[in-house]
Amino acid sequence: SQQGEEDPQALSIQEGENATMNCSYKTSINNLQWYRQNSGRGLVHLILIRSNEREKHSGRLRVTLDTSKKSSSLLITASRAADTASYFCATDSGGSNYKLTFGKGTLLTVNP
Amino acid sequence: DTAVSQTPKYLVTQMGNDKSIKCEQNLGHDTMYWYKQDSKKFLKIMFSYNNKELIINETVPNRFSPKSPDKAHLNLHINSLELGDSAVYFCASSRDSSGEAFFGQGTRLTVV
Repeated sequence: SQQGEEDPQALSIQEGENATMNCSYKTSINNLQWYRQNSGRGLVHLILIRSNEREKHSGRLRVTLDTSKKSSSLLITASRAADTASYFCATDSGGSNYKLTFGKGTLLTVNP
Repeated sequence: DTAVSQTPKYLVTQMGNDKSIKCEQNLGHDTMYWYKQDSKKFLKIMFSYNNKELIINETVPNRFSPKSPDKAHLNLHINSLELGDSAVYFCASSRDSSGEAFFGQGTRLTVV
């Protein structure tokens, strides 16, 4: 069954604005990761947050995790046209369960 | 140097044919994966291998057979291709079962 659900499905903003994307999941997780996918390309890892962490920063990215609500958010500050891409959250349950379960993704369009 | 490389990038073939997609990673990772991304961009795990051993086979039809000749390679052979097999197939690798995954550029398979 699908684990992650992102919302919104699509988001269009102006350059310089902040973009917030949310992800919800259904079962217990070990880690939650965010990936970016540019059109026609592979996925690129952005950030990983562990289940015992609540917030993590990397450059213009800020990720939060609320395990009680089974949700995470990705904030991109001061967006740029180059941030235009699809963003996916992915979870794993740890141990010997070798797989990432992806959400449906949010298509972010940053207009110049 | 490309970390995870897969070939071919595009594959157009007729129904009923057999085709292979090759994947190689030069990251020294123990774990490799095949993911399928459908037309709605939903990513789903197909197979995962750890140290050349099959760990996960996520209810994939028997027509799909992965082969891992060594830890750096995970190839995907598909028999009797069907229209519904049309999708983008991504190879990925990771150091362990729950860390950051590195994705290849994808193989866009079109079955006509």
